[in-house]
Amino acid sequence: AQKITQTQPGMFVQEKEAVTLDCTYDTSDQSYGLFWYKQPSSGEMIFLIYQGSYDEQNATEGRYSLNFQKARKSANLVISASQLGDSAMYFCAMRAKGGATNKLIFGTGTLLAVQP
Amino acid sequence: NAGVTQTPKFQVLKTGQSMTLQCAQDMNHNSMYWYRQDPGMGLRLIYYSASEGTTDKGEVPNGYNVSRLNKREFSLRLESAAPSQTSVYFCASSGNFRGERNQPQHFGDGTRLSIL
Repeated sequence: AQKITQTQPGMFVQEKEAVTLDCTYDTSDQSYGLFWYKQPSSGEMIFLIYQGSYDEQNATEGRYSLNFQKARKSANLVISASQLGDSAMYFCAMRAKGGATNKLIFGTGTLLAVQP
Repeated sequence: NAGVTQTPKFQVLKTGQSMTLQCAQDMNHNSMYWYRQDPGMGLRLIYYSASEGTTDKGEVPNGYNVSRLNKREFSLRLESAAPSQTSVYFCASSGNFRGERNQPQHFGDGTRLSIL
């Protein structure tokens, strides 16, 4: 069965420092996709970054990068130079197998608090 | 640029009442999804639709029905609401996976539903 595990329920980071949010996954598929979403206190889900299983380079989007270690089945999100606005819940998700849709399996999330 | 629009944003129901949550997207996406978000459990897929006229069960479909009215609209119905269905409900849409490497789901702002 496919599964996403986020072992950090909550984390603190000082403003301007980098932080890594952990995500491990389990799948028997050879082709899969991994996503990170941000959910601020206002509740909306914001797409941050995507990594395909065949991508040779780690994905980057501005201050977000994805540390993809395929052999370890991990896809950690790295946020550089944290800002107060980064305080939010962060979800790792994997594209579930089957069909033509892009349905996702989500982890339980990590609550990040950025301290001034 | 509306994206995914959900109505209502908040609702309180009594046990046994019925209700339909509405969702519409203006991105010409083929696939649409309904998730529920409960504390400590991340998002779980209720139903999804790969295209107009098709629907499929997700991880937690019991107690719900859906209708893909047309390409734009995907509604979720609670026929007889139960307190266990108190949750935040998210609608999402995406392009189909086939032929597209990166198809993030775009989420609505959510519906907070309380059942007493």
